Amino acid sequence: AQSVTQLDSQVPVFEEAPVELRCNYSSSVSVYLFWYVQYPNQGLQLLLKYLSGSTLVKGINGFEAEFNKSQTSFHLRKPSVHISDTAEYFCAVTTRTGGGNKLTFGTGTQLKVEL
Amino acid sequence: DGGITQSPKYLFRKEGQNVTLSCEQNLNHDAMYWYRQDPGQGLRLIYYSQIVNDFQKGDIAEGYSVSREKKESFPLTVTSAQKNPTAFYLCASTPAREAYSPLHFGNGTRLTVT
Repeated sequence: AQSVTQLDSQVPVFEEAPVELRCNYSSSVSVYLFWYVQYPNQGLQLLLKYLSGSTLVKGINGFEAEFNKSQTSFHLRKPSVHISDTAEYFCAVTTRTGGGNKLTFGTGTQLKVEL
Repeated sequence: DGGITQSPKYLFRKEGQNVTLSCEQNLNHDAMYWYRQDPGQGLRLIYYSQIVNDFQKGDIAEGYSVSREKKESFPLTVTSAQKNPTAFYLCASTPAREAYSPLHFGNGTRLTVT
């Protein structure tokens, strides 16, 4: 079975500063990795995904993430955040072994961008 | 525009009553999912369905039931057997059953049971 750890429950950052949201996963087989964003009282939207190939993945809203197999990490980064980036961010993993898309989610990181 | 519609947005029930949450999609997606979200716990899978008239239990199916009579509809019933039903419920779908297919989410139903 796979698992996801998001170590930081909250990350405060000033506007225009860089940010990194950490995600580590555990799985005995090859994985697909995802980052989703959730604005208050809404569903989740896909930010980016890693399926294979280049380990640096670019997503929407200027976010990017790097897959590091040796460290089993998939950290999300943005070089300069905006107030509108305030939201909760979820890392998720699923395996390639079939059985449909049963994602395992992390517990989320609340990003709060301050002026 | 295509999407997933969850209704109602807010739902209040008395303890001991069953309640059904609606989820409809017009994306022509094969697979549909129900997740429960609690503060600090992320999302947990309740049930999923990869094809009409078939569904499987997720990680926390106890106290819940579903049906998939039509491709576009996947209602969730929260029964009186669910010990702690107050939560935010999210429905999702994917165009294919493959693991790489991202989830598309509805805007959720917030259920409060007193």
